[in-house]
Amino acid sequence: QLQLQESGPGLVKPSETLSVTCAVSGGSIKSSSSYWAWVRQPPGKGLEWIGSIYHSGATYYNPSLENRVIISVDTSKNQFSLKMSSVIAPDTAVYYCADSSDGVLLDFWGQGMLVTVSS
Amino acid sequence: QVVLTQSPSASASPGASVKLTCTLSSGHRFFTIAWLQQQPEKAPRFLMKLNSDGSHIRGDGIPDRFSGSSSGAERFLTISSLQSEDEADYYCQTWGSGIWVFGGGTRLTVL
Repeated sequence: QLQLQESGPGLVKPSETLSVTCAVSGGSIKSSSSYWAWVRQPPGKGLEWIGSIYHSGATYYNPSLENRVIISVDTSKNQFSLKMSSVIAPDTAVYYCADSSDGVLLDFWGQGMLVTVSS
Repeated sequence: QVVLTQSPSASASPGASVKLTCTLSSGHRFFTIAWLQQQPEKAPRFLMKLNSDGSHIRGDGIPDRFSGSSSGAERFLTISSLQSEDEADYYCQTWGSGIWVFGGGTRLTVL
């Protein structure tokens, strides 16, 4: 059974860089069809796609965030990571990692972690 | 770029059925979507893959009370025999031109 687990600091200061990692277990991040995604949800709001990565390292970003976001993959550790620079208070959200086993639909999700941007 | 539109809210009584709608933007009527359920304070859960012809495949452990159908650019999620635990936010999701897209979500209240 695939499991995704987010980890990282739960509090980040404004203007600093947010870093979150997703550990993949019960499956390989090098699965030939899987794309791995980051999605966020500000308190009381809807879901927003941040970006996705393939195990080869190919990345896809939300145009509204791509100038601040880097997604990377570490196949040796079976994990992928999100870095978002120059954060501000509206970046406060629950950050989810997810798997798209067919490259289209997000069909498996981690439990999410709250990241708060505050001084 | 594909856009998904959902009504913000819906309500129905326990034991009844409800039909939620997700509308694809012009030019994207053949797209496949996913329906996701997000219960309060929980992560989203994949309910089903729904194709343009109405065929659908439910995710692991999803009861057959949840079904999908399609008509043109509209994708529907029907929940029958409503239970209190069905009270949740429901999102549709798809992909186009390297971008993953969500609808705004429909909050379902089971009265």
